[in-house]
Amino acid sequence: ETGVTQTPRHLVMGMTNKKSLKCEQHLGHNAMYWYKQSAKKPLELMFVYSLEERVENNSVPSRFSPECPNSSHLFLHLHTLQPEDSALYLCASSQDPASGSRDTQYFGPGTRLTVL
Amino acid sequence: GIQVEQSPPDLILQEGANSTLRCNFSDSVNNLQWFHQNPWGQLINLFYIPSGTKQNGRLSATTVATERYSLLYISSSQTTDSGVYFCAVVTSNDYKLSFGAGTTVTVRA
Repeated sequence: ETGVTQTPRHLVMGMTNKKSLKCEQHLGHNAMYWYKQSAKKPLELMFVYSLEERVENNSVPSRFSPECPNSSHLFLHLHTLQPEDSALYLCASSQDPASGSRDTQYFGPGTRLTVL
Repeated sequence: GIQVEQSPPDLILQEGANSTLRCNFSDSVNNLQWFHQNPWGQLINLFYIPSGTKQNGRLSATTVATERYSLLYISSSQTTDSGVYFCAVVTSNDYKLSFGAGTTVTVRA
């Protein structure tokens, strides 16, 4: 248990569906992250929020829409996804990325997404 | 961006064996972390080790920052050590973790 939870753990959706992934951290951290992990590829950073402000958006398609209502919760809204979007989506949190290199990220268990 | 290379890509061990995983990186880093991803996808922090040596039970890690590599040692391996081991680094002018492709370890009973 890392103090970061994600729901659902598994999700199967059609290309026309709309769904949302949820992440919650119980560590008192100020920053939250979404990563995508595809088979046999390194983790790809998608979004970074620091104090509820988006500070990073790594050229992610608009069919992925993040939302950070407060420093403990992070959502990833999904719509009109493609089969190649099937992957493990991981959420992480850290104390403060502005502290730079000493910041340590803690990961949730992930949501395994399958797009049919 | 920084390149992070891990070797070997795959490792099969007999229970009780020792092993060494390597992480090479292409630029100076101020932060280096090792993670273990279990078969269910959970990433667990193993070490925060931008330099020096640390030990935690049967695992230990050494980072030689001046030569841009880090080593993770697994001693007396157990089946629960199976999974993917990732190295991730942060350069001095950034805050984002850059991950290697991982080493997949399979420990057989």
